Formats: sequence, C-alpha cells, structure tokens
Amino acid sequence: DQQVKQNSPSLSVQEGRISILNCDYTNSMFDYFLWYKKYPAEGPTFLISISSIKDKNEDGRFTVFLNKSAKHLSLHIVPSQPGDSAVYFCAASGGQNAGGTSYGKLTFGQGTILTVHP
Amino acid sequence: DTEVTQTPKHLVMGMTNKKSLKCEQHMGHRAMYWYKQKAKKPPELMFVYSYEKLSINESVPSRFSPECPNSSLLNLHLHALQPEDSALYLCASSQRATGGDATNEKLFFGSGTQLSVL
Repeated sequence: DQQVKQNSPSLSVQEGRISILNCDYTNSMFDYFLWYKKYPAEGPTFLISISSIKDKNEDGRFTVFLNKSAKHLSLHIVPSQPGDSAVYFCAASGGQNAGGTSYGKLTFGQGTILTVHP
Repeated sequence: DTEVTQTPKHLVMGMTNKKSLKCEQHMGHRAMYWYKQKAKKPPELMFVYSYEKLSINESVPSRFSPECPNSSLLNLHLHALQPEDSALYLCASSQRATGGDATNEKLFFGSGTQLSVL
C-alpha cells in the first residue's frame, strides 16, 4: 500500500520555464510534507516543506502548494535551471501522535526524475 | 555545521564478513535514523534512535544491528548479509522536540554508504 505517490516517473523542461512536480497521498494523518532533491549515489537534500495548516510555502525559486481536500501537493520551480536536474522525492510525516512513535518516520514517494534542458 | 557524515562511502563485503557503517552529526540533533535505498526506489526507514535509545525498528532482520554510542554517533553493524542487502544506506538526523513544531521533523541526510554484498 503506497501512501505517497508520485505518478510521473520523469519530467523534461526547458531552461527558464516552470517545472511542476506532483505528489498525492492517501493517509489523512499526514500533517507535514517535504520535498527532497537527490543526485545519484548521494543522500537526499532538503528543499522545502509545508505544514498541513498551510496551503502554500515559498522559498526563492521553489514553492510548494498543498491541497488537503484533494490530498495533493505540488512543487513549482521557477525559473528552472539545468542544475535543478535531479530526482525529486515527496515525503510525508505523521507528525506528533500521542506516543510519538511515528516521529521522524518519513514516507517517501517513488521520485520524479527532472531534466532541465539548456 | 549542517552536515551528516557517513563512512565509508563505498563498501564491498562477502556474506561471511562483519563490517560497520558509521555516521556522525554535530548539529545537536537528538534523533538519528538509518534508511535503506535500492536503485530506482525511495528510501525506506530501518531504525530510529531518539535521545540515544532505539525507538523504531521497522522489522529489520537481525543481521543488521544498530548502535548509538552517544548523541552524535550512529553505527550500523553488519553480519552475514545477503546479496539482496546491497543498497545505499543513508543516515539522517533531526531535531527532536516534545512540543508541536512539526518543522523539527526535517531530516538532514548524509551522502550514504553504497554497499555491495558478494
């Protein structure tokens, strides 16, 4: 049962244009969402996050949108640069439950390979 | 210092060998994690240590043995591994709080150890 899904395995975008990466989730207990960027044979690098109490968070060229009713989030990169080419993972967390047993347990999507062409 | 350092970067071992993976962080984080990532798959949680105590074991086989000697160090001891255990092993850390700030769940990942079991 895949609770976090990235349905697009890959995305190709021209430099300077907008990249939109999508993520869907099924677990309504998730209350914190993160995007990570990963190069081959390296660890994921944190990009941006959003709490479930918000619907938008912006950091420079990166904006994450959250639609709780649709259980959908997206990452917008504007303008896209060739250095943005990497695998992008969406991740979700169940946050603070009574026992804290889900703390730090990120559930990752399958990843989307973004290629930005010069 | 926002770095999580993992050694070695690459490891090749036979099925009868005993080896250890090491991880270190000096960000004052009190939660540390081991994730496993197979090629073209998302990272999967193995273990979580909180305040130097094991808090989550995701039903990992006993041939993987984690150890947290202090708040800055995390080890993963390997013994009698199988070829299917070959993967990228990622260490991560995060702040841990008992309050409601979900942003403390942001994980910082190391570059990983690429393990090959022959």
